[in-house]
Amino acid sequence: DVKVTQSSRYLVKRTGEKVFLECVQDMDHENMFWYRQDPGLGLRLIYFSYDVKMKEKGDIPEGYSVSREKKERFSLILESASTNQTSMYLCASRLNTDTQYFGPGTRLTVL
Amino acid sequence: SQQGEEDPQALSIQEGENATMNCSYKTSINNLQWYRQNSGRGLVHLILIRSNEREKHSGRLRVTLDTSKKSSSLLITASRAADTASYFCATGDGATNKLIFGTGTLLAVQP
Repeated sequence: DVKVTQSSRYLVKRTGEKVFLECVQDMDHENMFWYRQDPGLGLRLIYFSYDVKMKEKGDIPEGYSVSREKKERFSLILESASTNQTSMYLCASRLNTDTQYFGPGTRLTVL
Repeated sequence: SQQGEEDPQALSIQEGENATMNCSYKTSINNLQWYRQNSGRGLVHLILIRSNEREKHSGRLRVTLDTSKKSSSLLITASRAADTASYFCATGDGATNKLIFGTGTLLAVQP
């Protein structure tokens, strides 16, 4: 079974803090994704990566950056957290099929 | 940008009844997928249907796809309380690595 893990289930940070969200997958998948999920808006793609050190912007990259130094790990970085970044963050990975495998999510609250 | 729009937004049924959810999309697709999300958790892939397929079954799930109407439906037969979850459709264009998710249908199955 594919396993995608995220570093925290719940996180509370203050405005202006730098926030790191970590995602690790154990199936040697090439593609990894970061989404945010908000009520009424569904899932929106922030960034994705199709290989180590490669990244591409999704639909809402503003205020975020990513890092992929190793194939199994994809990090989402909030350089200076703001209250409008309070959300559920979901990481996913895929090999070369179309199905994505999701982690359990991190619910981030920015005060 | 949101490609898929699910209908209805919320659905409440009794255990044993069938549940039907619909998804409409806007552009050409290579495949359409359905995912399930239990409250506060990550998404789980249910079924994928390709653009050259019209119907697909998996256990109690039946998915149809009408590319002329740009719509799909997910039927869950003989529903159970454990089917209570949010259901999302997602479309893939086959050219990029990205999926575009709809806003979801919240299904409540009353025991």
